[in-house]
Amino acid sequence: GAVVSQHPSRVICKSGTSVKIECRSLDFQATTMFWYRQFPKQSLMLMATSNEGSKATYEQGVEKDKFLINHASLTLSTLTVTSAHPEDSSFYICSADLSGRGTDTQYFGPGTRLTVL
Amino acid sequence: AQTVTQSQPEMSVQEAETVTLSCTYDTSESDYYLFWYKQPPSRQMILVIRQEAYKQQNATENRFSVNFQKAAKSFSLKISDSQLGDAAMYFCAYRSPNTNAGKSTFGDGTTLTVKP
Repeated sequence: GAVVSQHPSRVICKSGTSVKIECRSLDFQATTMFWYRQFPKQSLMLMATSNEGSKATYEQGVEKDKFLINHASLTLSTLTVTSAHPEDSSFYICSADLSGRGTDTQYFGPGTRLTVL
Repeated sequence: AQTVTQSQPEMSVQEAETVTLSCTYDTSESDYYLFWYKQPPSRQMILVIRQEAYKQQNATENRFSVNFQKAAKSFSLKISDSQLGDAAMYFCAYRSPNTNAGKSTFGDGTTLTVKP
């Protein structure tokens, strides 16, 4: 299967700082990437859909100014948590697929554990 | 909107035995895709099996197979000869090319424990 990487795998930051998480498709070009948030023992909650070369589409209730998404190339999407607060602490997962048409399998990154002190 | 329901928050199975995880979904679409993902303690989501709705034949992948009942909107996962490494949280997911901009809808998950 296709490989998706995320960096960093873990990050601890102070309240008020910004954190950038990278999601890369290593062996395929992804027109669409998805960003999820997951709390312990819960399901994945979709935050936004990232399309290469265009603005991300955010789910209802997700603050676009707080969670900045940039999909600058067909292999890289970034999620920046701005002015992070302890309630932003969570596990963030990205996924990518070949076409974004909803017919392909999504390939998931290994996730990033964010802890905000 | 599509919904996916996993009615078993937790399941357990004895090593080498068979277990079935249930999943039901609600949709008005005729063309869609169903998935089972495994999330072990490492939290890496791993594709277990995929089913295209237009295919009547149930998908199989080694010890994993599904029972896809399109009319009943049911998509259960059977794990045969369970192994300790099968212990994980399992998510059923629905995806459609025609609605929801290709987004997946996930169930709440089933935590599977495998007893030695």
